[in-house]
Amino acid sequence: ETGVTQTPRHLVMGMTNKKSLKCEQHLGHNAMYWYKQSAKKPLELMFVYSLEERVENNSVPSRFSPECPNSSHLFLHLHTLQPEDSALYLCASSQDHPGRVSGTQYFGPGTRLTVL
Amino acid sequence: RKEVEQDPGPFNVPEGATVAFNCTYSNSASQSFFWYRQDCRKEPKLLMSVYSSGNEDGRFTAQLNRASQYISLLIRDSKLSDSATYLCVVNKGAFYNQGGKLIFGQGTELSVKP
Repeated sequence: ETGVTQTPRHLVMGMTNKKSLKCEQHLGHNAMYWYKQSAKKPLELMFVYSLEERVENNSVPSRFSPECPNSSHLFLHLHTLQPEDSALYLCASSQDHPGRVSGTQYFGPGTRLTVL
Repeated sequence: RKEVEQDPGPFNVPEGATVAFNCTYSNSASQSFFWYRQDCRKEPKLLMSVYSSGNEDGRFTAQLNRASQYISLLIRDSKLSDSATYLCVVNKGAFYNQGGKLIFGQGTELSVKP
């Protein structure tokens, strides 16, 4: 399935590095999301973009910086991360319609990030 | 209190067994409800939406009780391929121009044995 793709699939970085995660959705959706999944913890919503505008920042530290240049692409820019930021970062998309509850979210395969 | 609570399991059952998962949520304003499935080291995938009237998809039956803020999933005649983590998911913020705000439970692990 290639509805939502993410690159890279694995990333190892030092605390002083700057890197970016990329997400692309091929479903024609108008909302995109970043989630974090740490070991033994529920998925946590980080950011929501709807119609290319950020509508939710779920108290995420500023060392994570999202960017949504268009409705198909979403980036997560990383800088000066901490070892506790090591996790699986998942991107998702959905199609939202006026006057209706937000649609089902479809997830990408994730980027497994290790911060040394 | 967690916003969405599930029994983490694991549930170890033989093939053919019936297994039930329960979930409670704390926000009475929640808009929509889902069960997702997550295989080991894979992304979550939608299993089914959950409606107040109850809904069935093959061997899977989901129920929602808004008054009790309780969601359930029943799997009948379980297969080896049903082994996965089942995630109870609640959508808190759900209108056009706002995107969805999914709140995930920690998941219930199911292992189906031959």
